Amino acid sequence: NFMLTQPHSVSESPGKTVTISCTGSSGSIASNYVQWYQQRPGSAPTTVIYEDNQRPSGVPDRFSGSIDSSSNSASLTISGLKTEDEADYYCQSYDSSNQGVFGGGTKLTVL
Amino acid sequence: EVQLVESGGGLVKPGGSLRLSCAASGFTFSNAWMSWVRQAPGKGLEWVGRIKSKTDGGTTDYAAPVKGRFTISRDDSKNTLYLQMNSLKTEDTAVYYCTTDRVPGYSYGVYYYYGMDVWGQGTTVTVSS
Repeated sequence: NFMLTQPHSVSESPGKTVTISCTGSSGSIASNYVQWYQQRPGSAPTTVIYEDNQRPSGVPDRFSGSIDSSSNSASLTISGLKTEDEADYYCQSYDSSNQGVFGGGTKLTVL
Repeated sequence: EVQLVESGGGLVKPGGSLRLSCAASGFTFSNAWMSWVRQAPGKGLEWVGRIKSKTDGGTTDYAAPVKGRFTISRDDSKNTLYLQMNSLKTEDTAVYYCTTDRVPGYSYGVYYYYGMDVWGQGTTVTVSS
């Protein structure tokens, strides 16, 4: 079973840059595109990155995504952190049967 | 504006059934691939399944924990997506989100999926005796 592993939590100060990793369990993470979703407390998720590194309209360019095939991982980087960025972040991709797979989520604290 | 509004959640006993609806507006629903994603209390997101547009075959895919118990369908004349849930278990307790899928790419017989796009606000299903 293909799995995506994320750190449970990360924290950083306002104005700084934080990177959240998402590591694939098997195969190549580059075989399918990776998406990232933001979920603020009490709200539905929203998409912040799709197709590895594309931002939907309305998502600030402080959010960026990348893939590192050597470590079989994807990363979400948020620069110029704001308190409003405090949320849970989920990576998502697909397994070999094209079924959706989510990472366990990372709680970002901006303190 | 794209909008998805789920309804139909509630309290049901183990072994019971429930049908969720997702009313869509602001886009051409008949062309959309749609998915359901759920989130158990205090837990992460879990993909439930998808339905392709009728143009692309209208077929469905399901996650292993729900396959054979859940059925996704659509009524394009009503711009509505459904999730029929049978033989419910306590572990099905969750908020259920309806989502649009980004239209996948297709090349040389292979689909390339780009994830979920717009999410509804969710509807809560509680399975308890």
